[in-house]
Amino acid sequence: AQSVAQPEDQVNVAEGNPLTVKCTYSVSGNPYLFWYVQYPNRGLQFLLKYITGDNLVKGSYGFEAEFNKSQTSFHLKKPSALVSDSALYFCAVRDMDAQAGTALIFGKGTTLSVSS
Amino acid sequence: ETGVTQTPRHLVMGMTNKKSLKCEQHLGHNAMYWYKQSAKKPLELMFVYSLEERVENNSVPSRFSPECPNSSHLFLHLHTLQPEDSALYLCASSQLLAGDEQFFGPGTRLTVL
Repeated sequence: AQSVAQPEDQVNVAEGNPLTVKCTYSVSGNPYLFWYVQYPNRGLQFLLKYITGDNLVKGSYGFEAEFNKSQTSFHLKKPSALVSDSALYFCAVRDMDAQAGTALIFGKGTTLSVSS
Repeated sequence: ETGVTQTPRHLVMGMTNKKSLKCEQHLGHNAMYWYKQSAKKPLELMFVYSLEERVENNSVPSRFSPECPNSSHLFLHLHTLQPEDSALYLCASSQLLAGDEQFFGPGTRLTVL
C-alpha cells in the first residue's frame, strides 16, 4: 500500500534562515512525488514534482526538493525563508506503476511558520 | 488562481436541505477528483472520475452523490448532511498520465447547521 509521512506537524524558522520540511514515502514500485502548498482558505497549489532524472528538483518560489531513494525521502527545502512562505505544505506520492488516473496519496501536512 | 473553479465558495445549509457544489476545469484534463479537508485531519479522497466514469469511491456516505456530465464539469450533490460534514471541499483535475500533477480549485467552505 502507498503511504506518505510528514513527521512534523509544525516547522518554525526565522526569516532568512534555511528551511526543511520533511517527507518520507512508501510505495511498492518507483514513486512519483509531489509537493503542494496551501494558503488559508485556498486550494492546494502545485510546487514541484519528481518523476525521474536528477534527484534535486527545483520548483516555484525558490523551493527545491531532494529525492533520496535509499532513505525513501523527498524533503522540501529553501535556502532563505520568507515570511510569505508561511503556509501548510503537503507531500504526495503516486506509485509509478499505478493505473493512470489514480489519485495522489497525501501526507497530513506540515504548517510552516516563518517569523520576521 | 488555477484553471479550476468552484462554486459556491461558501455554503451554509441545514441538515434537511439539498444543495450542489460545482467544479469546472478549463485545462483540458480528463480526470477529476473530489476531496474533503477537515480541520486537523488528512486530506480525504472522496471520488475519482476518469474519462467521465467513476473509478473510485472511497466509502463515502450516500448523502454525497457525485455527477460528471462531461470532462470539464464535476458536481457534488448534497442531501441530509450532518454537522460533521462541515469541511472544505476541494475539486482537482489532471491528465490521465501517472506523472501528472493535480490542479486544485479554491474549494467550497461548507457549514452544516
